[in-house]
Amino acid sequence: EDQVTQSPEALRLQEGESSSLNCSYTVSGLRGLFWYRQDPGKGPEFLFTLYSAGEEKEKERLKATLTKKESFLHITAPKPEDSATYLCAVQNSGGGADGLTFGKGTHLIIQP
Amino acid sequence: ETGVTQTPRHLVMGMTNKKSLKCEQHLGHNAMYWYKQSAKKPLELMFVYNFKEQTENNSVPSRFSPECPNSSHLFLHLHTLQPEDSALYLCASSQTGTANTEAFFGQGTRLTVV
Repeated sequence: EDQVTQSPEALRLQEGESSSLNCSYTVSGLRGLFWYRQDPGKGPEFLFTLYSAGEEKEKERLKATLTKKESFLHITAPKPEDSATYLCAVQNSGGGADGLTFGKGTHLIIQP
Repeated sequence: ETGVTQTPRHLVMGMTNKKSLKCEQHLGHNAMYWYKQSAKKPLELMFVYNFKEQTENNSVPSRFSPECPNSSHLFLHLHTLQPEDSALYLCASSQTGTANTEAFFGQGTRLTVV
């Protein structure tokens, strides 16, 4: 059974204070690892897909990395508008359309 | 605007009511999904449709009944729900058989069962 564990559950940072969110996973065969951002009362917004260990992707202040056991979402010099819940999910490499297995998320608060 | 539209955004229903949630995707994808999001729990996959065919039912109670008339539309029919079914119901779509398999989500329907 696929499993995703995110840590910490919540993180409070000062504006400009860089940090990293962790996503540990177990999956029989990884098709992809996904990061989403979710604002209160809204659906998850797609950020990144990582497919193989060693892969990195960046978007503005966010950078996602992947190893064979975990992924990190690095946030550099965050701003208050980066406050959200960040979700990590994995997709199994079984054929066809497979849904995602999600972690519980990290609730990030950036204080001005 | 995410390309996946869900209606209604909010729904309050009694335990004896029958209602339906609607999802429409404008992305040309061939797979659609229903997820349930409850407080302090991960998103839970409920149903998967690939090319209009249901390929996965994650042990969901029969009081939830999905329908996928075509690759762009997905419904979730609800009847005799329980208060513990109150949650955010999210629809998503993706394109299978390609390099980019990420799912795109709608804004969700906030369901309250009274």
